[in-house]
Amino acid sequence: GQNIDQPTEMTATEGAIVQINCTYQTSGFNGLFWYQQHAGEAPTFLSYNVLDGLEEKGRFSSFLSRSKGYSYLLLKELQMKDSASYLCAVGAYGQNFVFGPGTRLSVLP
Amino acid sequence: ETGVTQTPRHLVMGMTNKKSLKCEQHLGHNAMYWYKQSAKKPLELMFVYSLEERVENNSVPSRFSPECPNSSHLFLHLHTLQPEDSALYLCASSQDRPPHTGELFFGEGSRLTVL
Repeated sequence: GQNIDQPTEMTATEGAIVQINCTYQTSGFNGLFWYQQHAGEAPTFLSYNVLDGLEEKGRFSSFLSRSKGYSYLLLKELQMKDSASYLCAVGAYGQNFVFGPGTRLSVLP
Repeated sequence: ETGVTQTPRHLVMGMTNKKSLKCEQHLGHNAMYWYKQSAKKPLELMFVYSLEERVENNSVPSRFSPECPNSSHLFLHLHTLQPEDSALYLCASSQDRPPHTGELFFGEGSRLTVL
């Protein structure tokens, strides 16, 4: 089976940098995804990592270490609109995505 | 219209009612999914359809009955639900058949309250 862990809640200040961690245990790892979900809205895709290293996309970056079963999502120059839940999801061969519990991020002025 | 659309957005029903949730995707995808999202719990995969065939049913009670009449439409028929079934029901689609490495596109969800 798969097991995914994320912090439940985080708080940061507008303009700051925040790192949201995700640890996972799975067999047949086939990629790690990050999704953003604003309250009352659909989750939207942010990033996909299948190889070790950092993927940068504007203010958002995602890092993966397959040997450690670890990923993080880095948000720079935080804005109020970044207040949302961030979902880590793991794909594995022969299986559908498994989602982590999500991290609710609050950005304060 | 674009993306994945779900109706109704909100539904309140009694335990003896029968209702249906509808999902439509305009992306030409081959796979469609129903997920359940309860407060403070991870997204739970309920059903997967690939090319209109049900390929996965994750031990979901029979009071939830999916239907996929074509590759663009997915329904979730509900009957004799329990209060603990109150949740946000999300439909999603993806390009590839499961298993897949592509991203999921989600609808806005149907917020269900069972009284």
